[in-house]
Amino acid sequence: AQTVTQSQPEMSVQEAETVTLSCTYDTSESNYYLFWYKQPPSRQMILVIRQEAYKQQNATENRFSVNFQKAAKSFSLKISDSQLGDTAMYFCAFMKHNGNQFYFGTGTSLTVIP
Amino acid sequence: DVKVTQSSRYLVKRTGEKVFLECVQDMDHENMFWYRQDPGLGLRLIYFSYDVKMKEKGDIPEGYSVSREKKERFSLILESASTNQTSMYLCASSLNPLGGYTFGSGTRLTVV
Repeated sequence: AQTVTQSQPEMSVQEAETVTLSCTYDTSESNYYLFWYKQPPSRQMILVIRQEAYKQQNATENRFSVNFQKAAKSFSLKISDSQLGDTAMYFCAFMKHNGNQFYFGTGTSLTVIP
Repeated sequence: DVKVTQSSRYLVKRTGEKVFLECVQDMDHENMFWYRQDPGLGLRLIYFSYDVKMKEKGDIPEGYSVSREKKERFSLILESASTNQTSMYLCASSLNPLGGYTFGSGTRLTVV
């Protein structure tokens, strides 16, 4: 079975600062995909970033980047130049290579302080 | 943009009622999913469907059933609502899950 752990239920960051959200996972699969989703107060889940496990290079999307450590089974999200619109719940998620189903963590509630 | 529409944003039902949560997507996606979201538990998969009339149990199917008579519509049914089914319910669809899901805005169900 796959498990995804987010050990930080709540975090806060000053506007324009950088924050890192942690995620670890447990799997016996060698090929898989990892995702970060954002859920703002509007409740619409939005895909932030995706990483293929076979790629060593860390994914980046504008101000969002990941630190993927396969051996440590760690997948943290770094948000640079935090903006008020980044205030949201962030979920880490795992999917097997040939899978259809996401396994989600319990979420981290991020508040950006003006 | 793909749209996933959940018919109700908020719903209050009585214990023992049969409850239907409707989800419609407009981009011909094969895969559709129902999750429930609870504080401290994250999102848990209830059921999913990869084709019309096909359904697969997720991690917590007990007390729920689903219906997919048409490709665009995936309904979640609570046969006899109970208070422990008070939760946020999220529907999602995908063409290729590796591209990520498209989620609806959720239905917050309260069973009293």
